[in-house]
Amino acid sequence: DSGVTQTPKHLITATGQRVTLRCSPRSGDLSVYWYQQSLDQGLQFLIQYYNGEERAKGNILERFSAQQFPDLHSELNLSSLELGDSALYFCASSAGTSGALNTQYFGPGTRLTVL
Amino acid sequence: AQTVTQSQPEMSVQEAETVTLSCTYDTSENNYYLFWYKQPPSRQMILVIRQEAYKQQNATENRFSVNFQKAAKSFSLKISDSQLGDTAMYFCAFMKPGNTPLVFGKGTRLSVIA
Repeated sequence: DSGVTQTPKHLITATGQRVTLRCSPRSGDLSVYWYQQSLDQGLQFLIQYYNGEERAKGNILERFSAQQFPDLHSELNLSSLELGDSALYFCASSAGTSGALNTQYFGPGTRLTVL
Repeated sequence: AQTVTQSQPEMSVQEAETVTLSCTYDTSENNYYLFWYKQPPSRQMILVIRQEAYKQQNATENRFSVNFQKAAKSFSLKISDSQLGDTAMYFCAFMKPGNTPLVFGKGTRLSVIA
């Protein structure tokens, strides 16, 4: 158990809908990262937050947004869903400092299926 | 931009044997971190081993060890005494210093055969 929790485990929804994925980082970790794992694109970085502030953006679509709350949990919002958004979404957390403490630990993921 | 290449999409090994998974990367950074993550059928991403580029000594974690060749930009993972539970997808990942995201390779699917 990495200490990172994600809910829900599975999500099935229809095209055009909006969903919210939730992540709680390990105790003490300030950085949260979101990654998308799809069959054709592999593991891709979406967005990072550090202590409530957006830190870095990767290949995140405009239909997707995220935030990190004062208690450090994070939510990833996916809207106007398309079939191609079906994927496994991972949250990872790290201490957010330098060196080996920046090792990222992953949650169990949320499997999103868009029908 | 950094890239990570895993040239072996699939590998298999007999139980109790040793197997080596390859990874090469491209970067202009002098200091960075390299990781191997394991993704078993449960789909959980599990950290296997970590290497800091400024350390010349190769990292070891029980049956897992790496061969880090900085000049060649190579970072291979050796699994000794392979066990059925080692069956998984293995991802090599690169991280720049500081609070930065991981860049992953496409993975190597390892099957351990009884």
